[in-house]
Amino acid sequence: EPEVTQTPSHQVTQMGQEVILRCVPISNHLYFYWYRQILGQKVEFLVSFYNNEISEKSEIFDDQFSVERPDGSNFTLKIRSTKLEDSAMYFCASALGPGAAYEQYFGPGTRLTVT
Amino acid sequence: KQEVTQIPAALSVPEGENLVLNCSFTDSAIYNLQWFRQDPGKGLTSLLLIQSSQREQTSGRLNASLDKSSGRSTLYIAASQPGDSATYLCAVLTGANSKLTFGKGITLSVRP
Repeated sequence: EPEVTQTPSHQVTQMGQEVILRCVPISNHLYFYWYRQILGQKVEFLVSFYNNEISEKSEIFDDQFSVERPDGSNFTLKIRSTKLEDSAMYFCASALGPGAAYEQYFGPGTRLTVT
Repeated sequence: KQEVTQIPAALSVPEGENLVLNCSFTDSAIYNLQWFRQDPGKGLTSLLLIQSSQREQTSGRLNASLDKSSGRSTLYIAASQPGDSATYLCAVLTGANSKLTFGKGITLSVRP
């Protein structure tokens, strides 16, 4: 069964460093998402991406964040200058379409620890 | 702003019991509702999706219902097993760009 994959599974970085989290969505999916979950908190929407552009972003997704689909298979989330409060589990998701009938499939997550 | 609430935060039941997990949401203008399972430190596994036009969906021992007008969904688990122990998350899909808004989850423990 096709699945969303994410690398690395765990990333440790120092405050102020840039990190890139990588995702490979399901191959025929067209809509891509990043969510994050701070330990003990709700899963929160960060950004949605379709047709090579951002469709919607949350207030969390400020100028320090960017997304890219560099090569037609990968979908990346870059955090330019990490802060302690960026420590969280980051989930990538993909869907065939945007509407009611389309399930979002989630990857296993990347645990980001900022020290 | 859409808010999703799941109460209680934790539940412990003996094996074999039938149980109901509740989810409520504040804005009934949703496209669908998904129930997910999350094991500790792991990703999200989709269990069931109910479109806004549907009333319920079933998969094996799981049955999810949706009452959009009252802003409620329930996940029914029949004949619970220790392997069902996990956190169950409810999420609603809203907006043209289909973002999911999650509840905090219910952590279920099924005692052998």
